[in-house]
Amino acid sequence: AQKITQTQPGMFVQEKEAVTLDCTYDTSDPSYGLFWYKQPSSGEMIFLIYQGSYDQQNATEGRYSLNFQKARKSANLVISASQLGDSAMYFCAMREGGTGRRALTFGSGTRLQVQP
Amino acid sequence: DTAVSQTPKYLVTQMGNDKSIKCEQNLGHDTMYWYKQDSKKFLKIMFSYNNKELIINETVPNRFSPKSPDKAHLNLHINSLELGDSAVYFCASSHLGRGQGRYEQYFGPGTRLTVT
Repeated sequence: AQKITQTQPGMFVQEKEAVTLDCTYDTSDPSYGLFWYKQPSSGEMIFLIYQGSYDQQNATEGRYSLNFQKARKSANLVISASQLGDSAMYFCAMREGGTGRRALTFGSGTRLQVQP
Repeated sequence: DTAVSQTPKYLVTQMGNDKSIKCEQNLGHDTMYWYKQDSKKFLKIMFSYNNKELIINETVPNRFSPKSPDKAHLNLHINSLELGDSAVYFCASSHLGRGQGRYEQYFGPGTRLTVT
């Protein structure tokens, strides 16, 4: 069973508008962390934001925020005031803390294109 | 100051050859990882070392052999290269951590391996 699902292969957004990238996850581990990474066309993986399963508040990092709905097992990334430089692949990932396994399980990614 | 570095960045080789990729981190992390990103951009964990001890060994052909001489270095040796090994290989590092703590992984720039 897929543990991380990103249902939007591609998204378009106008510059300066907000965009939401969807991510749902599946785990029976009560202790887990959710991460978003950005991969621009240059190829590097850039960490954006983190949400822990026990965190009471949604995470925010500058223009990035995470809409965490634990009961629905969703962790959507919201980018406010999109910029041309936000055009990239975005990956949602999960780390299950209880198993001792520290590797990230990634979703298939969403390619975001910001239009001027 | 490069946090996680990989060499080489590009590797073009013929089927049947043996090649190595090197990774070094200067972040003081105790855990390092190898991920493979295929042509569809899907990222999957291959191996992980914690303080030179192998802690994750996914279902990977035994032609792939990781080695960690110390906790700042993790190398990947591939024997008898096949066409299907063509991919981008990412090294990453983090603190091992416990539970749902943040412990984000920092990625190297990737090594694009092309097997002809």
